[in-house]
Amino acid sequence: NAGVTQTPKFQVLKTGQSMTLQCAQDMNHNSMYWYRQDPGMGLRLIYYSASEGTTDKGEVPNGYNVSRLNKREFSLRLESAAPSQTSVYFCASSDPSGGTDTQYFGPGTRLTVL
Amino acid sequence: AQSVTQLDSQVPVFEEAPVELRCNYSSSVSVYLFWYVQYPNQGLQLLLKYLSGSTLVKGINGFEAEFNKSQTSFHLRKPSVHISDTAEYFCAVNLRDSGGSNYKLTFGKGTLLTVNP
Repeated sequence: NAGVTQTPKFQVLKTGQSMTLQCAQDMNHNSMYWYRQDPGMGLRLIYYSASEGTTDKGEVPNGYNVSRLNKREFSLRLESAAPSQTSVYFCASSDPSGGTDTQYFGPGTRLTVL
Repeated sequence: AQSVTQLDSQVPVFEEAPVELRCNYSSSVSVYLFWYVQYPNQGLQLLLKYLSGSTLVKGINGFEAEFNKSQTSFHLRKPSVHISDTAEYFCAVNLRDSGGSNYKLTFGKGTLLTVNP
């Protein structure tokens, strides 16, 4: 099992460019999540998908859109990148069990917006 | 609203010394508590979690944490650290989303543990 995979690993964008971050999991989990990690800020939830066909906003959704393509895949799109979106992005998945579930994280995408 | 406070942003220690990483949470309801570890240039992985029952929870790599409800704390400890324990450690609390049935994981800002020879 590969677990949670993310592509690309690194990306540099210019302000105003768009891009899609891809995430896939092979653990048959129902829930998937996108976080951003900034120095001294911990991880902040951008969007999550509790199950296939549903998506909800997290703590910092502005400037992002998501698509739950199927049970395995959950993509994050930046329509018009801004320097404030320079960050490390992590995808995670879990099998919800009333709050006791462990989230499994991908290796991250390091994004720089110039 | 819940929050998680990690009291130390950086903790330097020498190899084989004991270490405690502190975490406090604010919540008026029962919570599920987690510690995740992030090694350099990697994603996060679960170290241990408290769901219910015994307040002392043992995790991987010799780490343990104690849940203290009266002090709303969940401190992480290891009696003797190794160089390989150098990583960032995140405390997290899982609470039900307001008005919904979904849970959301809220992370502290992290503690960077540096183990020196």
